[in-house]
Amino acid sequence: EIVLTQSPGTLSLSPGERATLSCRASQSVSSSYLAWYQQKPGQAPRLLIYGASSRATGIPDRFSGSGSGTDFTLTISRLEPEDFAVYFCQQYGSSPLYTFGQGTKLEIK
Amino acid sequence: QVQLVQSEAQVKKPGASVKVSCKASGYRFTNHGINWVRQAPGQGLEWMGWISPYNGHTNYAQNLQARVTMTTDTSTSTAYMEVRSLRSDDTAVYYCARPQQYCSGGTCYYYMDVWGEGTTVTVSS
Repeated sequence: EIVLTQSPGTLSLSPGERATLSCRASQSVSSSYLAWYQQKPGQAPRLLIYGASSRATGIPDRFSGSGSGTDFTLTISRLEPEDFAVYFCQQYGSSPLYTFGQGTKLEIK
Repeated sequence: QVQLVQSEAQVKKPGASVKVSCKASGYRFTNHGINWVRQAPGQGLEWMGWISPYNGHTNYAQNLQARVTMTTDTSTSTAYMEVRSLRSDDTAVYYCARPQQYCSGGTCYYYMDVWGEGTTVTVSS
């Protein structure tokens, strides 16, 4: 089973700043199988990035994804107040079919 | 628009069973599978399993395989997920999510593009 480890656990930043979130896999992951989600309190997760770097429909271009192999990054170029949330990375594999990272909480400093 | 609408919250006693529904609309139900994902209070996301409405094939997470059953009703475009022998650590929000497989230029992408709003299941004596 591929384990995804996200860091940091909590990131405290101010609006307007740049956020860099990391997702590290225990084994190499195909970039096309790596996705990122945003979750706000009381809401379902929302797809942000698929294929490691492709933005989902309607996602602002301040969100970008990069990486390959075992190291992936989600970057938010200039934080807006609505971006403070929890972010999860997820990979598609064989057994289990999907695994998630434990999440990074992005909070207002 | 594409939508997944889930059933209401439930409270169950330990040892009981719970069945959650997920009604799809806005797309052809048999063209996509349905994933079930749960989230315990304050915790991360746990994938529980997948079902194909097209042929009923399933793939369950190993730790839940003995207690979970996923089914679909294509006449109503509804997916169901049942957990038996409930324990307190089954207390969670249960989500259904549509898996998307998008292939382009020889590369296939896999992700979950539409999620239900979640169903809270509380297991308490």
